[in-house]
Amino acid sequence: QSALTQPASVSGSPGQSITISCTGTSSDIGGYSYVSWYQQFSGKGPKLLIYEVSSRPSGTSTRFSGSKSGNTASLTISGLQAEDEADYYCSSYRNSGSRDVIFGGGTRVTVL
Amino acid sequence: EVRLVESGGGLVQSGGSLRLSCGASGFTFDGSWMTWVRQAPGKGLEWVASIGRDGSEKSYVESVKGRYNVSRDNRKNTVYLQMDRLGPEDTAVYYCARMKVNLLGPRYFSDYWGQGTLVTVSS
Repeated sequence: QSALTQPASVSGSPGQSITISCTGTSSDIGGYSYVSWYQQFSGKGPKLLIYEVSSRPSGTSTRFSGSKSGNTASLTISGLQAEDEADYYCSSYRNSGSRDVIFGGGTRVTVL
Repeated sequence: EVRLVESGGGLVQSGGSLRLSCGASGFTFDGSWMTWVRQAPGKGLEWVASIGRDGSEKSYVESVKGRYNVSRDNRKNTVYLQMDRLGPEDTAVYYCARMKVNLLGPRYFSDYWGQGTLVTVSS
């Protein structure tokens, strides 16, 4: 199963906005609204940031927003802060005959 | 407070078996799908398996089909991952997580995660 495609790294200065892309196919991102995003700090478990493309769970800062266009989903971090430096993963349901989930390869965000 | 606590990881030789457990508390366990996700050292997240609320529905990533079995005991609020014929490529931290559901079934995102348990397979 091929992973969703994310850039390996994205960087930005404090206060800037950055966007992480996540590209799939019509069998996953393009066909369903089951895209989610996770944040992971080094040595820690993942934390849900965004679910169902653009919904934020309680506790997620409004600086994080999600969207989707065609087969590509995006996570935007506005007003970048030093504490946002982490790895970010997208995920989606994939229609392959069963209830499969697929992750992206992950993006390391660096705050310059 | 929601808690997910994995156990059962360790060092095993190639070809061996391990059974992971994940004890849950703080939410309605039998109302939730559960999922296992792994992360090889220095690598990204990989979905491994999911199991439905009553255990009758299961899904696996292709690379573990026929070797892994996910199960659950709703009386004990515990989900298991039986791993057989392990190889070095199975070395990873294994996380269990709760998958939200609605009337149609799983919503394919995990809102609560355990701390993970490390499985090391030596060749």
